[in-house]
Amino acid sequence: GDSVTQMEGPVTLSEEAFLTINCTYTATGYPSLFWYVQYPGEGLQLLLKATKADDKGSNKGFEATYRKETTSFHLEKGSVQVSDSAVYFCALSETSGTYKYIFGTGTRLKVLA
Amino acid sequence: DTEVTQTPKHLVMGMTNKKSLKCEQHMGHRAMYWYKQKAKKPPELMFVYSYEKLSINESVPSRFSPECPNSSLLNLHLHALQPEDSALYLCASSQSKISVRTAGGRPDTQYFGPGTRLTVL
Repeated sequence: GDSVTQMEGPVTLSEEAFLTINCTYTATGYPSLFWYVQYPGEGLQLLLKATKADDKGSNKGFEATYRKETTSFHLEKGSVQVSDSAVYFCALSETSGTYKYIFGTGTRLKVLA
Repeated sequence: DTEVTQTPKHLVMGMTNKKSLKCEQHMGHRAMYWYKQKAKKPPELMFVYSYEKLSINESVPSRFSPECPNSSLLNLHLHALQPEDSALYLCASSQSKISVRTAGGRPDTQYFGPGTRLTVL
């Protein structure tokens, strides 16, 4: 079945550092890919998405490119802020026809001032 | 507006209580979802409603009973829960119809509510 592998956390960075959170997937078809962010005590917020190969999703300085050749959707941000501290989930929509989401395990990001 | 609301925000209940969680969206979405999220884990799908009909039940125990009274509302009725049911319960909605028989089209984005933090004593 489809699956998502996300880098283990926690990731600790200083403010203004460059962020990369790796996400790779396996899927039999062509899933849509998503990054969600969850701040402490809150629900999941859609951060960005991409629906086909070579699409780049971007929002609030975060970017991720749908790479079919490497089956990856890595999240990047050029300069993180303390307010970016949260848990980040990579997800894909299943290609079997049910459109269920497959989530990665989540990566906790902590940004220090 | 991509808002999904959930009430209550927090709920504490005993194992013999009956309570309900409520979810509401006014985006015209026709698919609604319940997820359960334990600490430091990703959300786990429980139920999917498509056009007010139960489409997917992920083998959830019968002490959880979903209900979709109309296209904007989704409830989760709770009865005789166990302490291990304590978790964050998330509701989500999306535009697309969920169908196990359909293999075409593009699924739409799921928008999540803030969740209900449930504690079972």
